[in-house]
Amino acid sequence: RKEVEQDPGPFNVPEGATVAFNCTYSNSASQSFFWYRQDCRKEPKLLMSVYSSGNEDGRFTAQLNRASQYISLLIRDSKLSDSATYLCVGFYNTDKLIFGTGTRLQVFP
Amino acid sequence: NAGVMQNPRHLVRRRGQEARLRCSPMKGHSHVYWYRQLPEEGLKFMVYLQKENIIDESGMPKERFSAEFPKEGPSILRIQQVVRGDSAAYFCASSLMTSGLVNIQYFGAGTRLSVL
Repeated sequence: RKEVEQDPGPFNVPEGATVAFNCTYSNSASQSFFWYRQDCRKEPKLLMSVYSSGNEDGRFTAQLNRASQYISLLIRDSKLSDSATYLCVGFYNTDKLIFGTGTRLQVFP
Repeated sequence: NAGVMQNPRHLVRRRGQEARLRCSPMKGHSHVYWYRQLPEEGLKFMVYLQKENIIDESGMPKERFSAEFPKEGPSILRIQQVVRGDSAAYFCASSLMTSGLVNIQYFGAGTRLSVL
């Protein structure tokens, strides 16, 4: 079983839609989680950290449920520029990031 | 305020040649990480280095791969006698500090290695 698992998608949504991605992790010793965004043939870029209390950054909301070992990302009012692959990432005290394989989002006009 | 710099961006090698990938961390960062991304797959951790020290190389293949981060100069990922299966994007990341604090890693643009 992979340490971080995501639905690969693709999710095809119209502009203005709300879309949610989910991610599960297997190692309960994980310390922190992040969502990174990766555009085609580019490097991953940090989108936001994920906290148990939930955190919001503009149109993006992230949530961590430690009891269920589940992480979510909600994108409201989708824009064409949101089209990318969204990577769920765990950080353990070994200092390395553990990446999910990513969920592809395609926003169409 | 330069970010993580990797070069070359693209590298073509024939089977059996050596590949050298370079990474200069962000200014002030002393922790460097290398990740590999095979086509249609997620990023996989390879190695974590601090200046002159390899901290964790649990993701490095046992043969042909080595990494260093000298006191002066960039970090180098070296692949000897490349094979077609080494074709991938190699990303370097750097961070400011670890040891219990949240580790925000910033990535370079990557080196795309193609082995003919």
